Amino acid sequence: KAGVTQTPRYLIKTRGQQVTLSCSPISGHRSVSWYQQTPGQGLQFLFEYFSETQRNKGNFPGRFSGRQFSNSRSEMNVSTLELGDSALYLCASFEDRETGYTFGSGTRLTVV
Amino acid sequence: SQQGEEDPQALSIQEGENATMNCSYKTSINNLQWYRQNSGRGLVHLILIRSNEREKHSGRLRVTLDTSKKSSSLLITASRAADTASYFCALTSGGSYIPTFGRGTSLIVHP
Repeated sequence: KAGVTQTPRYLIKTRGQQVTLSCSPISGHRSVSWYQQTPGQGLQFLFEYFSETQRNKGNFPGRFSGRQFSNSRSEMNVSTLELGDSALYLCASFEDRETGYTFGSGTRLTVV
Repeated sequence: SQQGEEDPQALSIQEGENATMNCSYKTSINNLQWYRQNSGRGLVHLILIRSNEREKHSGRLRVTLDTSKKSSSLLITASRAADTASYFCALTSGGSYIPTFGRGTSLIVHP
């Protein structure tokens, strides 16, 4: 079974630009969650998508958005990038609430 | 939603020794999970322990949960250099099944 796939692995963007990150969950997993990891704030929950609907949302500004497609693949978009958005963005999927998440390897975003 | 707090922040041991890290929390939980993260990579799920369970094992890993003390511990026995990583506890509580992560324990195992 293929794992959670995130693309791209690395990105460098300029302040003010926007970026789109992609995540393909494990086949059969309908829930996809996104986390931001920084040295200062640790791992913070961004949002969760299930069956193409945002089911849960963390405490991030509206510049952070996402969507999920009918094949469960998910994208995350950050508009008007700020230096503080530099982070490792992690995507995770799970089969049911009683099992742990399977994480992708992440996308390292650097904003310059 | 609450966040667990891992202790110690960093741990350095020799290969073959046991490593113990702890996670404390403030209010009741649904379950507690432990994850490992190798440098700059994604997290790997290790063990999930439910609030009505006291101990779980997986290979060289042993997790305990003491709900009266609101704490959990992860024991890695006979550690190896490949165990070098950061270890995180993640909690679900209340009506939420979304795990919130602590800041992690950085473990270095010297060959």
